[in-house]
Parts: sequence; C-alpha cells; structure tokens
Amino acid sequence: GENVEQHPSTLSVQEGDSAVIKCTYSDSASNYFPWYKQELGKRPQLIIDIRSNVGEKKDQRIAVTLNKTAKHFSLHITETQPEDSAVYFCAAYGSARQLTFGSGTQLTVLP
Amino acid sequence: EAQVTQNPRYLITVTGKKLTVTCSQNMNHEYMSWYRQDPGLGLRQIYYSMNVEVTDKGDVPEGYKVSRKEKRNFPLILESPSPNQTSLYFCASSLSDGSGYTFGSGTRLTVV
Repeated sequence: GENVEQHPSTLSVQEGDSAVIKCTYSDSASNYFPWYKQELGKRPQLIIDIRSNVGEKKDQRIAVTLNKTAKHFSLHITETQPEDSAVYFCAAYGSARQLTFGSGTQLTVLP
Repeated sequence: EAQVTQNPRYLITVTGKKLTVTCSQNMNHEYMSWYRQDPGLGLRQIYYSMNVEVTDKGDVPEGYKVSRKEKRNFPLILESPSPNQTSLYFCASSLSDGSGYTFGSGTRLTVV
C-alpha cells in the first residue's frame, strides 16, 4: 500500500522567515495531494491541495510543489506569522482509493 | 452547511461499559473513516468504509467496531472500553476520489 513519509517532525522558524515541509510517497499512481493544518485541540483542516497534472499551486503565503518523477511534494509557507504555529499533515491519494497521511510536522513560529 | 458531525464532543466512561460515538455527514460522501490521535502522535486509522455496507480495518482496529448501514452515518462502537482507548477521535468523509476530505470536530474520550 501507499507509504507517505513527512519531514521534519518538528520545525522552528523566526517570525517572517519561510518554512518548508517535505513529503515523499511510494505509490506512483497517486494523483491527489492535500495538506492539512491542525491547531491545538482542533480538527485538521484543508489548507491547500494539488493534483498530479500540476507542478505548483499558490494561495497567498502558502504554496505546494509536486515532483512526480521523484515522488515528493512540499509545502512552503512564506512570511510566517505566530498564527501559522500548528501541526501540518501531508497526504496522498493513490491505488488504495483513500488518503494516506504523513506523520505530521509541528511548526513553531518564534516571535 | 456542509459538515461532519460527531457526538459527543467529550465523554468520560468506565472500563467495560459499551459506548457508541456517532458520526454523520451531509455531503453525500461515499467514503468515511475513523482515526484516533494520541499526544505527540499523528492520525492512526481505525476503520474505514468505501460505501454503504462496506467496511475495512485500518491500522489499529482492535477493540473497535463500526457499521455503515446508511450512507450518511458511520458510528464507532467500543464494546468493552479500556483505559488504553483514552484518546482524541476524529471521523472524516470524502468523495470516492479523495476530494472534499473533511474531518469532524473530534471526540475526546476518557476511559477510567
């Protein structure tokens, strides 16, 4: 089945700096890659997603890039703010016909 | 409003007392799933359902049961809860292609 690996597990950045979280997947048939943000005690919520026919997608300070050949995708957050502090999960949808989630990254934005 | 509704939000129970956590979605989603999340850990899948009357085990199914008799509902049943099932539980649903994946608000379960 699909295996999604996410790095790093924890990330601390200074406010205003950029943050990058990387994920790799194993199923070459995977074609949908969402990212979720989970604030403390709350549900994970979709922040951005990308399909396999697109290499990059941006939404204000957030962007996702996809390299199908290398089977990895990344989340980029620019000009980080304290409210960006949360756990971020990547996921991939492939042959198993369901989302497989990465293990999560705890992002801390230091003031 | 499109949503996944879980009940209850908080529950404290005693060891061995059967309980059910309900999950309902109003988006006509084919796929539904249950996860548990423990401190410092990610989302671990308990059971999932591709459609009505179709359920499969996830990574940590021991001690749990589910049913999918209707498309909108996917209850999680703990026949004999134990303290190691104390956790934060999330229900989720999506279309069959994975899009629209939405989580419920969560149920914080404590078994004493």
